[in-house]
Amino acid sequence: AQSVTQPDIHITVSEGASLELRCNYSYGATPYLFWYVQSPGQGLQLLLKYFSGDTLVQGIKGFEAEFKRSQSSFNLRKPSVHWSDAAEYFCAVGARMDSSYKLIFGSGTRLLVRP
Amino acid sequence: GAVVSQHPSWVICKSGTSVKIECRSLDFQATTMFWYRQFPKQSLMLMATSNEGSKATYEQGVEKDKFLINHASLTLSTLTVTSAHPEDSSFYICSATPGHYEQYFGPGTRLTVT
Repeated sequence: AQSVTQPDIHITVSEGASLELRCNYSYGATPYLFWYVQSPGQGLQLLLKYFSGDTLVQGIKGFEAEFKRSQSSFNLRKPSVHWSDAAEYFCAVGARMDSSYKLIFGSGTRLLVRP
Repeated sequence: GAVVSQHPSWVICKSGTSVKIECRSLDFQATTMFWYRQFPKQSLMLMATSNEGSKATYEQGVEKDKFLINHASLTLSTLTVTSAHPEDSSFYICSATPGHYEQYFGPGTRLTVT
């Protein structure tokens, strides 16, 4: 069965420090992978996606993610975190089910940024 | 581009009444729209998938008679919570896709049932 695991519930980093959020997926075929960010009381904003090709994907707001098939991972990175990056981050895998393309979300990682 | 709106952003209703939430794709045609529910500090739970002009497909455990979904056009889907009770209080988020896997999310609707 398809699943997404985000092993870190909370991560705290200092402003200006680098960031890596972990995501592991389980999916039988070639995965379609996404990272979304959610600010409190808001919907989800797409940060980046991987469908095929270059395994290092660039996204908005200075984020990037690397697809590693051998590790079933799609970790999100940012070289220098800003206070405005504090939010909830969700990794998702696309799965075709019931004739629809659905997203399976991880449980999320809450990022806290120290001034 | 790829903007999805939801209305209202928050609503308070009395127990036993019904409330309708609208989801619109503003700058693209959505072949499929999705409705999610999110509890505090939790991930999104998919409630149902709707395709324009056809009946919605509900996830296991979601009461289709309580959560009525209508997808009347390629830019509008509505979720009606019927006979709402306090346990229906939650954050409801819709998403829309022009096709394939990419989903664009609305800003969410906070429902409080008193």
